[in-house]
Amino acid sequence: DADVTQTPRNRITKTGKRIMLECSQTKGHDRMYWYRQDPGLGLRLIYYSFDVKDINKGEISDGYSVSRQAQAKFSLSLESAIPNQTALYFCATSDTRGATRELFFGEGSRLTVL
Amino acid sequence: TQLLEQSPQFLSIQEGENLTVYCNSSSVFSSLQWYRQEPGEGPVLLVTVVTGGEVKKLKRLTFQFGDARKDSSLHITAAQPGDTGLYLCAGDTGSSNTGKLIFGQGTTLQVKP
Repeated sequence: DADVTQTPRNRITKTGKRIMLECSQTKGHDRMYWYRQDPGLGLRLIYYSFDVKDINKGEISDGYSVSRQAQAKFSLSLESAIPNQTALYFCATSDTRGATRELFFGEGSRLTVL
Repeated sequence: TQLLEQSPQFLSIQEGENLTVYCNSSSVFSSLQWYRQEPGEGPVLLVTVVTGGEVKKLKRLTFQFGDARKDSSLHITAAQPGDTGLYLCAGDTGSSNTGKLIFGQGTTLQVKP
């Protein structure tokens, strides 16, 4: 089983709909992240969380919200999806105790907004 | 805004050829990571370089961190089809209160048999 699990893996939705992407991890890491990947743009950080009570905006947080329900769970919501939010979304974790901020990624959630 | 420029963006070569991917910035990083991503999967860490001038080898892959810790390179010797994928560099600013890495745009490598 994957250490970082994302659901759903694929989702097609319509403009204006609310969408939630979920992420759970079994690595025991304290830090969790949501990234968005678009061709030619690399990975851009949406939100990150250092622990259950700590949520921080990344570089492209507009139009998104997150919830850290437990140390192992971090969900990303699009309150009213729009077509330019069509992208591949990745959840990642890292361990504060590690010497460097190495990231462990889930397999991705491909979202298409029509 | 800190930027990490990766080049080339696309590379298509024949099996057995050598190649180098570059990752450049005007910013200093405390460490730099290289990831490889295959279709339908998330990026997987290949290596982390920490010290200026550091060279790390992973089989046919050689990673180097610039002396000033602003740039890095990935060299693949005798590329094989299994090396095909998206290569991403990511710089760590070392700022504990931001918690984020800066990613390059990625290099898509295709190795033809």
